[in-house]
Amino acid sequence: AQSVTQPDIHITVSEGASLELRCNYSYGATPYLFWYVQSPGQGLQLLLKYFSGDTLVQGIKGFEAEFKRSQSSFNLRKPSVHWSDAAEYFCAGSTGGFKTIFGAGTRLFVKA
Amino acid sequence: EAGVAQSPRYKIIEKRQSVAFWCNPISGHATLYWYQQILGQGPKLLIQFQNNGVVDDSQLPKDRFSAERLKGVDSTLKIQPAKLEDSAVYLCASSDRVAGGRDTQYFGPGTRLTVL
Repeated sequence: AQSVTQPDIHITVSEGASLELRCNYSYGATPYLFWYVQSPGQGLQLLLKYFSGDTLVQGIKGFEAEFKRSQSSFNLRKPSVHWSDAAEYFCAGSTGGFKTIFGAGTRLFVKA
Repeated sequence: EAGVAQSPRYKIIEKRQSVAFWCNPISGHATLYWYQQILGQGPKLLIQFQNNGVVDDSQLPKDRFSAERLKGVDSTLKIQPAKLEDSAVYLCASSDRVAGGRDTQYFGPGTRLTVL
């Protein structure tokens, strides 16, 4: 069955430190991959997406993600975290069947 | 450009009551989605419309949930009767649909439903 897994329920990083959020997928073929961010009481905002081509994808707010086929991963990174990055992050995948499957999310806490 | 609008933002009802949510997608977006997001989980697709036709409603509990999208624009999602396990945030999203699953979905703020 198709699935998207985010192994970390929550992560705490210090402000200014680097960040990596993990995402693994299980699909028959390479899916289209997305990262969304959700602040409390808000909807989801798209950070970046991967369809094909360059495996390092740049997004908004200084985020980037790297697609690694050999590891079935699409990890999200940011070199220096700001307090305003505290939120919940969702990885998602879709295929030609169109249905988007979301991971369970990783909540990011930022400490001063 | 205005985003996806949803109302109400919050709703509290008792079990066995009915409730309806409204969504207005981004102008010109042909595809509209309703998701259910239970606390601590990622969004789960309930139903997907392409214009005013249903593309996928395989995960919609049809004995109590219904949705319509009249004239291919606004949409309503109804629950009747509500159960305790329906407590969740209901998210609406829309996209201008690029064929093959490459569509970028834009989400509204959601409606938080509490069933007592």
